[in-house]
Amino acid sequence: SAVISQKPSRDICQRGTSLTIQCQVDSQVTMMFWYRQQPGQSLTLIATANQGSEATYESGFVIDKFPISRPNLTFSTLTVSNMSPEDSSIYLCSVEDPGDYGYTFGSGTRLTVV
Amino acid sequence: TQLLEQSPQFLSIQEGENLTVYCNSSSVFSSLQWYRQEPGEGPVLLVTVVTGGEVKKLKRLTFQFGDARKDSSLHITAAQPGDTGLYLCAGSPNTGNQFYFGTGTSLTVIP
Repeated sequence: SAVISQKPSRDICQRGTSLTIQCQVDSQVTMMFWYRQQPGQSLTLIATANQGSEATYESGFVIDKFPISRPNLTFSTLTVSNMSPEDSSIYLCSVEDPGDYGYTFGSGTRLTVV
Repeated sequence: TQLLEQSPQFLSIQEGENLTVYCNSSSVFSSLQWYRQEPGEGPVLLVTVVTGGEVKKLKRLTFQFGDARKDSSLHITAAQPGDTGLYLCAGSPNTGNQFYFGTGTSLTVIP
């Protein structure tokens, strides 16, 4: 299965600033997914990123707040913009493994906004 | 409203006990996956079920996909402390390409 390197693993940020999270995959993948997760809770899909086109955002998430880049088939970034304490969460990227129908995840970025 | 509802939300049991986690939806899914997540890590795939009525076994874990492909269950026999974690069902409904996670079940197995 694919291996994903996600960074940073954690960060503490001041409100009003922005943080960019990076995910690097060891193989080429068509779609990458970005999720948000509160500790101990389930994952909420933020957006789906296709290479060469604009990301598709889920209800409640907008491009101005969570801009996504997908410059090639192995890399994507998610930026959390103009952060507030409500943005404190774990952010994860994911790709589909076509061989077993499942998905592989990065280890997550734990963001704290103060 | 979550597309996939899991129950129970929290479960704390003694080592050696059996347990069942349920994943329910009003939508039909082409397949469902079960994941386990430990603190500080991303979810790790346990199994994929694709056929209505399918039963898969993974050592002490038994997974079942409902006949109508709207629900699934995970049964753990003789739970061990190493089974502790957040269990998540997930899948793509037939109506779209999005991939959604269930509400999650946090399991604690006490030695």
